[in-house]
Amino acid sequence: KNQVEQSPQSLIILEGKNCTLQCNYTVSPFSNLRWYKQDTGRGPVSLTIMTFSENTKSNGRYTATLDADTKQSSLHITASQLSDSASYICVVPSLAYSGAGSYQLTFGKGTKLSVIP
Amino acid sequence: EAGVVQSPRYKIIEKKQPVAFWCNPISGHNTLYWYRQNLGQGPELLIRYENEEAVDDSQLPKDRFSAERLKGVDSTLKIQPAELGDSAVYLCASSPLGRLAGGSGELFFGEGSRLTVL
Repeated sequence: KNQVEQSPQSLIILEGKNCTLQCNYTVSPFSNLRWYKQDTGRGPVSLTIMTFSENTKSNGRYTATLDADTKQSSLHITASQLSDSASYICVVPSLAYSGAGSYQLTFGKGTKLSVIP
Repeated sequence: EAGVVQSPRYKIIEKKQPVAFWCNPISGHNTLYWYRQNLGQGPELLIRYENEEAVDDSQLPKDRFSAERLKGVDSTLKIQPAELGDSAVYLCASSPLGRLAGGSGELFFGEGSRLTVL
């Protein structure tokens, strides 16, 4: 069964501190992993996509890595800001075998990050 | 360009009443998803459309839930009758990539419709 596990479930950090969010997956076959940020009361927004060939990506204070051998991805946030407070969700697609082009998206439960002043 | 539009944003109903949610995806996005998200959980797929075809409705509770996307553009999700356990946020998302992308495309989500069943 395809699974995506995220840790920690929740995290509280002081503004300006760094943090790392983890995503472990057991999805086969694997092609990519995407991180979404979901602000409270809003829909998720894509942060980045990780693939075998693009296994380290940085976007400002956010750096995502992928280790396909251990089936783990990390999202590192440096110099956190209050606006980083959100849920971060990891999503992995996998091909289904019920028909051509069939697939499923497996969502993690998310990590709820709270940045406090 | 407008994003995914959902309405209503909030809905409070008594159990056994019907409720409907509407979604207008981003123009040109052929793939449309309806998800249900409970507090502290990730979104769970209810139904996925490719144009007007429902290609994955295996998780849709068909005894009380129905959905349609008649012209392959906007979509409606209906619950009748609603139960207490249906309280959740109903998210609509669209993607510019079809099934051949194997789910690799970015999903663009609406703000969601928060349902409270009393």
